[in-house]
Amino acid sequence: DSGVTQTPKHLITATGQRVTLRCSPRSGDLSVYWYQQSLDQGLQFLIQYYNGEERAKGNILERFSAQQFPDLHSELNLSSLELGDSALYFCASSGWTRPGELFFGEGSRLTVL
Amino acid sequence: SQELEQSPQSLIVQEGKNLTINCTSSKTLYGLYWYKQKYGEGLIFLMMLQKGGEEKSHEKITAKLDEKKQQSSLHITASQPSHAGIYLCGADRSGGSYIPTFGRGTSLIVHP
Repeated sequence: DSGVTQTPKHLITATGQRVTLRCSPRSGDLSVYWYQQSLDQGLQFLIQYYNGEERAKGNILERFSAQQFPDLHSELNLSSLELGDSALYFCASSGWTRPGELFFGEGSRLTVL
Repeated sequence: SQELEQSPQSLIVQEGKNLTINCTSSKTLYGLYWYKQKYGEGLIFLMMLQKGGEEKSHEKITAKLDEKKQQSSLHITASQPSHAGIYLCGADRSGGSYIPTFGRGTSLIVHP
């Protein structure tokens, strides 16, 4: 158990809809990362937050947004969903004592029909 | 951005055999990470290499970063079914960012 909790584990929705994925980092970790894993693109970095502030941005679409709240949990919002957004979305967190060691949640599997 | 090539893409070995997975970059690697993913689960950090020639071990898994810092190899000695999964190498998006950009992974199956 990595200590990172993601909900929901599975989500099925229709094209055009909006969903929110939630992540609770390990206790004490200030950094949260979101990754998308799909068969054709592999594991892609989306965005990082550090203590509530956006720190780094990767291949995140404009239809997607994220935020980190004062209690350090994070949400990834996906809107105007397309079939190609079907993927496994991972959240990870890290602490300052061992930079580079990310602790990943088990992922939220999104299926867009 | 950092592009990483992993080889082989997949590997099937008999329990007890040794194996090697390679990760090659077209650019100098400032930080190289190895993670393992069990099928359908999250990634587990194995180790991070930063210096040319650096070698680290985690149980029966050893990883090395070459002197030029453009290639890393991960070696498993006496493989076991518990080693099965997908091994991903990752590299810093930019020097010192500690945010891995990952390769496509190597799928490993170990037959008992």
